[in-house]
Amino acid sequence: DGGITQSPKYLFRKEGQNVTLSCEQNLNHDAMYWYRQDPGQGLRLIYYSQIVNDFQKGDIAEGYSVSREKKESFPLTVTSAQKNPTAFYLCASSPTGTSNSLLYFGPGTRLTVL
Amino acid sequence: AQSVTQLDSHVSVSEGTPVLLRCNYSSSYSPSLFWYVQHPNKGLQLLLKYTSAATLVKGINGFEAEFKKSETSFHLTKPSAHMSDAAEYFCVVSDPMIKAAGNKLTFGGGTRVLVKP
Repeated sequence: DGGITQSPKYLFRKEGQNVTLSCEQNLNHDAMYWYRQDPGQGLRLIYYSQIVNDFQKGDIAEGYSVSREKKESFPLTVTSAQKNPTAFYLCASSPTGTSNSLLYFGPGTRLTVL
Repeated sequence: AQSVTQLDSHVSVSEGTPVLLRCNYSSSYSPSLFWYVQHPNKGLQLLLKYTSAATLVKGINGFEAEFKKSETSFHLTKPSAHMSDAAEYFCVVSDPMIKAAGNKLTFGGGTRVLVKP
């Protein structure tokens, strides 16, 4: 069964802690993405990776970090430098990184800072 | 720069009546346009896409959208709403002329659809 998995579904963090969100895909897609979703604001791109061992900042990368050591995995770390981390985080992948390549989304992780 | 405006943040319809979700975009030339649907606490699912073929695009679950270049619009419609259509819908534009690496998509703010019995 091909798809994208994100874990955990819900995550709680204390202020000042780093936390890592998992994203795995078995679609053999080259490109992977992290989006943040806030109510009424649509999705905003945090980081993306077009190929293993390479990634680029999106529109709101400050306070986040990523790695792409394997094609199927693209974990996102929310650091203590992120001022307002409470949000719904969506991971996506696409066959290639071109602009009309379809995105396939994971089910999301809801992060709440206590 | 490209942008997407979804004209209604909320739409309420009765079951069995038509649904219209409005989307206007700004883009340099011949954009690709998409509609995605998101059910509560779920990821986004592609409903349909326009990539410079037929201007009337049919998608899943009875939805369709019409690309109107003169109006820079890509409104989503469905003739008869079902309770399962209650969700949030996102209009998305991708401009292939943008020479940015990666998938340069711009998302609208979303329209939340409520279906009344």
